[in-house]
Amino acid sequence: DAGVIQSPRHEVTEMGQEVTLRCKPISGHDYLFWYRQTMMRGLELLIYFNNNVPIDDSGMPEDRFSAKMPNASFSTLKIQPSEPRDSAVYFCASSLWGPGEDTQYFGPGTRLTVL
Amino acid sequence: GQNIDQPTEMTATEGAIVQINCTYQTSGFNGLFWYQQHAGEAPTFLSYNVLDGLEEKGRFSSFLSRSKGYSYLLLKELQMKDSASYLCACVTGGGNKLTFGTGTQLKVEL
Repeated sequence: DAGVIQSPRHEVTEMGQEVTLRCKPISGHDYLFWYRQTMMRGLELLIYFNNNVPIDDSGMPEDRFSAKMPNASFSTLKIQPSEPRDSAVYFCASSLWGPGEDTQYFGPGTRLTVL
Repeated sequence: GQNIDQPTEMTATEGAIVQINCTYQTSGFNGLFWYQQHAGEAPTFLSYNVLDGLEEKGRFSSFLSRSKGYSYLLLKELQMKDSASYLCACVTGGGNKLTFGTGTQLKVEL
């Protein structure tokens, strides 16, 4: 399997612009997770899906962030409008079972820089 | 709230043994993972403990004490490639989500 695929790998944008991050989970995995990693706060869960349905979005910082999973093989995380404090590495991860039952496999991440 | 504590940095010598500790105070605890993350890369799975005791996997071992809210990762026969960040992550909310510590940056020296 190709593993979790994320695009783009790097994104540089200006404050106020819309940013869309993309993720393809491992085929057959029913769970998909979006994380954000910064030096100050470490790795934080933003939202996760089970069978394409959002289960927990309590980590989404504010209304500027939205995530969708239109089908089992694709998810997006959108930031509109972007701000400099959104600069971070965004990871997508997937797993066969839920958080307490299976390891999560992480994609390579998208390094976002908002100027 | 969830509170997971790890040392920020550790340094050890090639060939030696190092123990990375993790203490936690979380609600609905249901297990603990250790992940390894090399600089600029994604976290990768190392171990999972749900019951008290020691889990051994090659050079790496992980221990959990649920009553003490404590875990450690033991790395033996350290190699230079073990230089990385080690993330402790608790399954919280009754198994609903994974909450990560901020990680321990391990540097292995000659």
